[in-house]
Amino acid sequence: NAGVMQNPRHLVRRRGQEARLRCSPMKGHSHVYWYRQLPEEGLKFMVYLQKENIIDESGMPKERFSAEFPKEGPSILRIQQVVRGDSAAYFCASSGRTGVEGETIYFGEGSWLTVV
Amino acid sequence: AQSVAQPEDQVNVAEGNPLTVKCTYSVSGNPYLFWYVQYPNRGLQFLLKYITGDNLVKGSYGFEAEFNKSQTSFHLKKPSALVSDSALYFCAVRDRSGAGSYQLTFGKGTKLSVIP
Repeated sequence: NAGVMQNPRHLVRRRGQEARLRCSPMKGHSHVYWYRQLPEEGLKFMVYLQKENIIDESGMPKERFSAEFPKEGPSILRIQQVVRGDSAAYFCASSGRTGVEGETIYFGEGSWLTVV
Repeated sequence: AQSVAQPEDQVNVAEGNPLTVKCTYSVSGNPYLFWYVQYPNRGLQFLLKYITGDNLVKGSYGFEAEFNKSQTSFHLKKPSALVSDSALYFCAVRDRSGAGSYQLTFGKGTKLSVIP
């Protein structure tokens, strides 16, 4: 039973390029979350999506960042015109239901973005 | 707003000794509490969670945690540490009710080193 799948695991981009990170949730899960982990820090919530809907993007930077979870295919976190400060580990997580009896959120292995 | 504090950046313990990783939390309502473990360059693995009921929660790999409502704490414990337990441990909280109740808020993490 596959867990949360993320790719690429490692991505190097030059300043100004675009980064696309993909996430396939655990089988049977329809809720996807993206978190960012900066060096020496914990994880920070970015966005919560259900199929074709962004439920909460309060943690997303206002510019250059966007996320989608289409009806078919993986969730995509897109960072346009990357800057060095975007270098971080980006984790996708999924759950089956939300806010019901402490539903567990399961994390993927992460995508490590390095901007040079 | 919800928050988590892990007061120790690093905990060192000798192999075979008991270990404790501390966590305190703050939420406006009642909490769901979680512990995750992260090995280098890997994703977060779920260890255990407190939802309701018995204050002592048992999880994976022999870990357990005790929920203490009066002290707003959820310390992680293990009776006998293994070298393979060396990793980064994150405590997380989710408020049971209100807007954003699906958001996990993480502590900054505690690095556990088990010395042979």
